[in-house]
Amino acid sequence: GESVGLHLPTLSVQEGDNSIINCAYSNSASDYFIWYKQESGKGPQFIIDIRSNMDKRQGQRVTVLLNKTVKHLSLQIAATQPGDSAVYFCAENWATGRRALTFGSGTRLQVQP
Amino acid sequence: DTAVSQTPKYLVTQMGNDKSIKCEQNLGHDTMYWYKQDSKKFLKIMFSYNNKELIINETVPNRFSPKSPDKAHLNLHINSLELGDSAVYFCASSQELLGTSGYTFGSGTRLTVV
Repeated sequence: GESVGLHLPTLSVQEGDNSIINCAYSNSASDYFIWYKQESGKGPQFIIDIRSNMDKRQGQRVTVLLNKTVKHLSLQIAATQPGDSAVYFCAENWATGRRALTFGSGTRLQVQP
Repeated sequence: DTAVSQTPKYLVTQMGNDKSIKCEQNLGHDTMYWYKQDSKKFLKIMFSYNNKELIINETVPNRFSPKSPDKAHLNLHINSLELGDSAVYFCASSQELLGTSGYTFGSGTRLTVV
């Protein structure tokens, strides 16, 4: 069946380092992708999005890269801070059919001081 | 002001009981959703409503019944609660039906069935 992302892995980085969180998606019909951050006890929070007609988009300290050839999405966080510690989810929107975001299983980012 | 608010935040109840979770959004969005997050953090869509009309009804037991009295509210009623219903339930809203804009999520309701 269709799926987004991997089973929940953990990425541990040192404060100040750059972080890269990866996501694989399998629905080639997806046309819109979002990265969400979920802190403990809170709901997912929008970080950055990208449409399928783009391959890169930058925000404040974050960059999303989209490689449609291999169906891969990544989130790069520059100069990672302790406040970045959270679970990160990629989500995709199918261009046809289901009309709700499909979420990946998330990656836990731990920032070591 | 909280954009998407859910009540209660925590809900502990016995098997067989009936309970409701309420959700309200003040963003003026047309579409609202219920997602279930399991113990492994996996988020799965349950329902979506657009202007009070049911759009998505995933494979969810009939014990779960959403109700949308107006486009700013989407409540979730659960009958005959089971242990497997224990999870965190998130309400969300979006401006567009087709999911081409980001969702705003509530802070979740942690349901524990004992």
